[in-house]
Amino acid sequence: QKEVEQNSGPLSVPEGAIASLNCTYSDRGSQSFFWYRQYSGKSPELIMSIYSNGDKEDGRFTAQLNKASQYVSLLIRDSQPSDSATYLCAVNKAAGNKLTFGGGTRVLVKP
Amino acid sequence: DADVTQTPRNRITKTGKRIMLECSQTKGHDRMYWYRQDPGLGLRLIYYSFDVKDINKGEISDGYSVSRQAQAKFSLSLESAIPNQTALYFCATGQGYNEQFFGPGTRLTVL
Repeated sequence: QKEVEQNSGPLSVPEGAIASLNCTYSDRGSQSFFWYRQYSGKSPELIMSIYSNGDKEDGRFTAQLNKASQYVSLLIRDSQPSDSATYLCAVNKAAGNKLTFGGGTRVLVKP
Repeated sequence: DADVTQTPRNRITKTGKRIMLECSQTKGHDRMYWYRQDPGLGLRLIYYSFDVKDINKGEISDGYSVSRQAQAKFSLSLESAIPNQTALYFCATGQGYNEQFFGPGTRLTVL
């Protein structure tokens, strides 16, 4: 089992719809959770961070964390073609100050 | 000006050559990281440093070495480059258990 797992996609979403991305992690003691957006050939860009159970909203993005079930999700509302990218889930485990990344979910928003 | 810079941005070299990739940051972060990214394999940690006197191996350190010349500078060296080190290389900075911020990347091709 990978430490951080994501569905590789592609997740195809009509413009204006909600894109829902999921991520599961194996280390129950994980402390911090992040979502990065990466356009092809570019560097990962932080879009959301979440540290406690529940929802966190920032503009069109909502991150959801459920530590008991060991998953974190990202919702993108009113999806735009510019949201087409790969979304990386990253987890900072209990021991050490390193991020473990999932393989990423590729999202395609179709006009 | 960018907070995390990497030089060079692109490099083509031949097998057996020594290559150095450089990273500088103005964010004032103590922690610096080197990752490589390959298609289908996601981001993998090569080396990381929590301060000038602290260097740690990541999951794929073989064939690489690093130098932390100052709080703001972290260099990655390939002592004798080989073709399977062709990849996209990212430097990142961070603080504590918090998020990491990535540089623009270096695309390295080893012929």
